[in-house]
Amino acid sequence: DSGVTQTPKHLITATGQRVTLRCSPRSGDLSVYWYQQSLDQGLQFLIQYYNGEERAKGNILERFSAQQFPDLHSELNLSSLELGDSALYFCASSVNTVSGNTIYFGEGSWLTVV
Amino acid sequence: AQSVTQLDSHVSVSEGTPVLLRCNYSSSYSPSLFWYVQHPNKGLQLLLKYTSAATLVKGINGFEAEFKKSETSFHLTKPSAHMSDAAEYFCVVSDQTSGTYKYIFGTGTRLKVLA
Repeated sequence: DSGVTQTPKHLITATGQRVTLRCSPRSGDLSVYWYQQSLDQGLQFLIQYYNGEERAKGNILERFSAQQFPDLHSELNLSSLELGDSALYFCASSVNTVSGNTIYFGEGSWLTVV
Repeated sequence: AQSVTQLDSHVSVSEGTPVLLRCNYSSSYSPSLFWYVQHPNKGLQLLLKYTSAATLVKGINGFEAEFKKSETSFHLTKPSAHMSDAAEYFCVVSDQTSGTYKYIFGTGTRLKVLA
């Protein structure tokens, strides 16, 4: 168990709908990362937050947005869903140590768009 | 710019034989390097990490990796494969720029273990 909690584990929704994925980072971790993993695109970095502020942006679509709240949990909002958005969405969190930074992943949220 | 290349997309080994998963990296800085494993329908689990303390890094489940700066490589090895090692493995390079850490993932190597 990595300590990163993601909900829901699975969801099925229709095209055009909106969903929210939730992530609770490991205790004490200030950074949260979101990744999308699909069969055709592999593992894609979407966005990173650090202590409530956006720090880095990857291949995140305009239909997607995220935020990190004061209690450090994060949400990824996916709207106007398309069939191609079906994927496994991972949240990860990181801790800074003297020996470097290590990123820990949650179990992921499986999204199926029908 | 940083990059990481996993040289094999698929590797098949027989149970009990050695495993070698190859990873080359490119980084302008002194990088941190990681290997993660993903079992089917699971999240990514940290196997091991290199952060300049020692070039030979031991990880979980009998895996180890050696950092070779001259070859810009960080290959993952295990002396004897077990059926439970069948999974996808990701090599990752990270460094800190502009006050934040970036992680670059390789495309993954799928390890198949034959009985």
